[in-house]
Amino acid sequence: EPEVTQTPSHQVTQMGQEVILRCVPISNHLYFYWYRQILGQKVEFLVSFYNNEISEKSEIFDDQFSVERPDGSNFTLKIRSTKLEDSAMYFCASSEGTSGYNEQFFGPGTRLTVL
Amino acid sequence: LAKTTQPISMDSYEGQEVNITCSHNNIATNDYITWYQQFPSQGPRFIIQGYKTKVTNEVASLFIPADRKSSTLSLPRVSLSDTAVYYCLVGDKRNLLGTDSWGKFQFGAGTQVVVTP
Repeated sequence: EPEVTQTPSHQVTQMGQEVILRCVPISNHLYFYWYRQILGQKVEFLVSFYNNEISEKSEIFDDQFSVERPDGSNFTLKIRSTKLEDSAMYFCASSEGTSGYNEQFFGPGTRLTVL
Repeated sequence: LAKTTQPISMDSYEGQEVNITCSHNNIATNDYITWYQQFPSQGPRFIIQGYKTKVTNEVASLFIPADRKSSTLSLPRVSLSDTAVYYCLVGDKRNLLGTDSWGKFQFGAGTQVVVTP
């Protein structure tokens, strides 16, 4: 069964450093998403991406964040200058985006720890 | 986006049916109702989605009354492995350049279901 993959599974970084979280969505999917989940809290939407541009973003997704689809398979989330409060689990998801029935498939997540 | 309200937690025994009701009083005409399951340290996993009446798949059933202001996820004969957090989401579907596009999914706090022997 096709699945969304994410690398690395765990990333430790120093405050102020840039990090890039990588995702490989399911190959025939057209819509891509990033979410984050701070430990013990709810899953929070960050951004959705379609046709090489951002479709929607939340108030969390400020200028420190950016997304990119650098090639036909990868989808990345970059945090330019990490803060302590960026420590969280980051989930990538993708969906076919066909009309009606729409299911987002989530990856296993990358645990980001900012020291 | 429609706000959802669901119980914080529910306890059940193995083999019982678990029904989780979610309120979404401000649901819009184009909104679909979707339920996800999440185990600790894993990404959410799709369970079921519906628009109205009843939807059933191999995992669960979803009951949506005519006014669509609430929905009930029904898990038949739960097992220990069904212990998880269950999220009710009301999805915003809109047209973007002539193509259906899903906007942001707003996860609520979810319902922690604990199944014991």
